[in-house]
Amino acid sequence: AQSVTQLGSHVSVSEGALVLLRCNYSSSVPPYLFWYVQYPNQGLQLLLKYTSAATLVKGINGFEAEFKKSETSFHLTKPSAHMSDAAEYFCAVSGSYNQGGKLIFGQGTELSVKP
Amino acid sequence: NAGVTQTPKFRVLKTGQSMTLLCAQDMNHEYMYWYRQDPGMGLRLIHYSVGEGTTAKGEVPDGYNVSRLKKQNFLLGLESAAPSQTSVYFCASCSAPGRTDTQYFGPGTRLTVL
Repeated sequence: AQSVTQLGSHVSVSEGALVLLRCNYSSSVPPYLFWYVQYPNQGLQLLLKYTSAATLVKGINGFEAEFKKSETSFHLTKPSAHMSDAAEYFCAVSGSYNQGGKLIFGQGTELSVKP
Repeated sequence: NAGVTQTPKFRVLKTGQSMTLLCAQDMNHEYMYWYRQDPGMGLRLIHYSVGEGTTAKGEVPDGYNVSRLKKQNFLLGLESAAPSQTSVYFCASCSAPGRTDTQYFGPGTRLTVL
């Protein structure tokens, strides 16, 4: 079975500060991991995904995430926050082989950026 | 390409009423999904389809039915709406059955059941 836990339902940073959103996973099969972003009143947009090619994954808008198997983590970072980064972020793990590619989502982390 | 579209964007129902949500994709994707999003719970899978004419239950299927008569469309039905079904509903599609493939999401339907 797979599950995802996002630590912190709400994170607030100042503009220009480091963004760190935490995600831990549990998976009985090799995990494939995703970060999605949801801007207010919009659908989800893929930020980046880990598919075992490289442990450090770079995504759009300057975000990146590092897969750490020993820590079962896939934390999302951005060196310098921008006001436009304010949104809700979801970590997800892909279901096992016979589950039709379904995604199992974490609870979400709302990021606020202060001027 | 329009990507994934959802109809309607907003809807208010009374308890016991029925309705159908339509999801359409123009990317020729095989896989389609219906999720619901509730505060503090992330997105949970309701039903999904691995191809035209097929459907399968997800994590929270009770109270919902689905149909995939055409490859590009995936319908979600509520036969007798309940207040617990107040939520934001998202449709997604995916090109292939691989676990690494990206799901593309629609803009959502905000449903309120009074």
